[in-house]
Amino acid sequence: AQKITQTQPGMFVQEKEAVTLDCTYDTSDPSYGLFWYKQPSSGEMIFLIYQGSYDQQNATEGRYSLNFQKARKSANLVISASQLGDSAMYFCAMREGTIIQGAQKLVFGQGTRLTINP
Amino acid sequence: ETGVTQTPRHLVMGMTNKKSLKCEQHLGHNAMYWYKQSAKKPLELMFVYSLEERVENNSVPSRFSPECPNSSHLFLHLHTLQPEDSALYLCASSQDRNSGISTDTQYFGPGTRLTVL
Repeated sequence: AQKITQTQPGMFVQEKEAVTLDCTYDTSDPSYGLFWYKQPSSGEMIFLIYQGSYDQQNATEGRYSLNFQKARKSANLVISASQLGDSAMYFCAMREGTIIQGAQKLVFGQGTRLTINP
Repeated sequence: ETGVTQTPRHLVMGMTNKKSLKCEQHLGHNAMYWYKQSAKKPLELMFVYSLEERVENNSVPSRFSPECPNSSHLFLHLHTLQPEDSALYLCASSQDRNSGISTDTQYFGPGTRLTVL
């Protein structure tokens, strides 16, 4: 079974509008972390935002916020006031509690391709 | 140089060639990772190194051979690859600790786009 599900293969949004990218996850571990990465056409995966399973408040980083609904197992990324430079692939990832001798394992979703129209 | 660098950025090789991908991190991290990103598939974790010791090998074929000579450098040696190995290979690093859960983030390099003819 997929551990991270991103149901939107592609999204088109007008510049300056807010956009929500969906992510649901599946884990039985009480301790986990959720990440969002942006991948422009150049290929580099750029870290955007992190939410820990025990964090009481939703994470925010500039124009990015994470709408964390633990009971629903969802961790949607919200981008406010979208810009043309936001056009990219966006990946949701989960780190489960298991640590491999100090290193972590991330599981990624399939990604959502976001296109911002002028 | 800052962050995580990868060389080469693009590589075309025949099935009988031997080549190596290089990753270097300038973040003072102690864990490094190799991922494979194929078209229409999620990112796949290949290898994990922590404190220069390989701690995970996700059923990767032996034609891929990783090497981590120190905490700043990671190599992926390639030999007798197949066309289906064509993909973007991403390296990442993180600062992790052996004691308990870490929330530290993995930072990625720009990747090497590999084409196997």
